[in-house]
Amino acid sequence: QVQLQESGPGLVKPSQTLSLTCTVSGGSISSGPYSWTWVRQPAGKGLEWIGRVYPSGSTNYNPSLKSRISMSLDTSKNQFSLKLSSVTAADTAMYYCARVARQLASAMDVWGQGTTVTVSS
Amino acid sequence: QSVLTQPPSASGAPGQRITISCSGSSSNIGGNPVNWYQQLPGMSPKLLIYNSNERPSGIPDRFSASKSGTSASLVISRLQSEDEADYFCETRDNNLNGRLFGTGTKVTVL
Repeated sequence: QVQLQESGPGLVKPSQTLSLTCTVSGGSISSGPYSWTWVRQPAGKGLEWIGRVYPSGSTNYNPSLKSRISMSLDTSKNQFSLKLSSVTAADTAMYYCARVARQLASAMDVWGQGTTVTVSS
Repeated sequence: QSVLTQPPSASGAPGQRITISCSGSSSNIGGNPVNWYQQLPGMSPKLLIYNSNERPSGIPDRFSASKSGTSASLVISRLQSEDEADYFCETRDNNLNGRLFGTGTKVTVL
């Protein structure tokens, strides 16, 4: 059973870079019909797709965040990561990592429990 | 415009049936399959429906969905108290070249 676990600092100062890691257990991030994605949710609000990284390392980002995002894979650690630069209070949210299953119409079929990130000085 | 619009809320008594709509455009729902997620209070989202009308294993058949044109619908039959949650539709948007979530619907069981 594949499981995902987010990790990273819960507090980031404005203008700094937010860095999160998602550790995948129970399956390899570099095999199968899967890619890996990040989604965020401000408190009391809806879900926002951030971006996606493929086993090849290629990426696909939300245009509204594209200039500030970097996503990558670390196959040696079976992890993938998110970096979001120049953060502001608007980036305060719960951040989820998830698996995208190509065979399920690219649905996000496995989710992490989420990690709360607050942007504040 | 790249927006998937859902009603903010829906409600029904136990045993009733409710329908949640998801309205988009030709650049998203009109040309791509739709997925639905359930988010229980304080929990991560959970895949409920994929490919517009298919249920993953373990999802009760009380949950069903369909798509027509630029809209999609999720139906919850025989409503139960544990169905109280937020529900989101999701699909690809060809203009954004990425994924798009609906605005979300909070379901209340009366």
